[in-house]
Amino acid sequence: ILNVEQSPQSLHVQEGDSTNFTCSFPSSNFYALHWYRWETAKSPEALFVMTLNGDEKKKGRISATLNTKEGYSYLYIKGSQPEDSATYLCASLAGNNRKLIWGLGTSLAVNP
Amino acid sequence: GAVVSQHPSRVICKSGTSVKIECRSLDFQATTMFWYRQFPKKSLMLMATSNEGSKATYEQGVEKDKFLINHASLTLSTLTVTSAHPEDSSFYICSAQTGTGGSKEHFGDGTRLSIL
Repeated sequence: ILNVEQSPQSLHVQEGDSTNFTCSFPSSNFYALHWYRWETAKSPEALFVMTLNGDEKKKGRISATLNTKEGYSYLYIKGSQPEDSATYLCASLAGNNRKLIWGLGTSLAVNP
Repeated sequence: GAVVSQHPSRVICKSGTSVKIECRSLDFQATTMFWYRQFPKKSLMLMATSNEGSKATYEQGVEKDKFLINHASLTLSTLTVTSAHPEDSSFYICSAQTGTGGSKEHFGDGTRLSIL
């Protein structure tokens, strides 16, 4: 994988559902993986910066896991709420480049 | 904490005009600021990396004479789109970082630039 790919592109869930989406990134020269949350008309907000293989981070109902060997990260949202509706972006940082490569994002809509 | 202010939020101007966009870190000192551009349905594209007191590092394909970046202090970076044309219409967003490449980026709200 040369680029950062996110799936699905968009997701509609009902309030209370738990959901997850995927970020795939180049595993060679891996340095860090960033997750951001971008609400409409607001600035992107940093959720997690992950560096270690097997790492799991949690912030409230949102958690993320990281597999640097196979080049993927999962973002989980437990008990989705309407306020979770946003685009979730991941970005990979390679050690030899040191600039973030961004995915297209997963657009999440949580219906009340 | 870690608030980044970007101004203006929207600009509409005639072709040939130069437009300056400011990016300020309000409550922290940013060692590095980044300027991104986003085309519709595309991912954020890094244009340049800016460090205080030094020349910006531009990404391949980004014209440095077209997109002038000044990072005069640890809290302010500016992007000037010189002699803007309709193809420069886009969403421009800045971010600021306090640490090294593994640190979080703190984003401004972005600037929607429309050139008529």
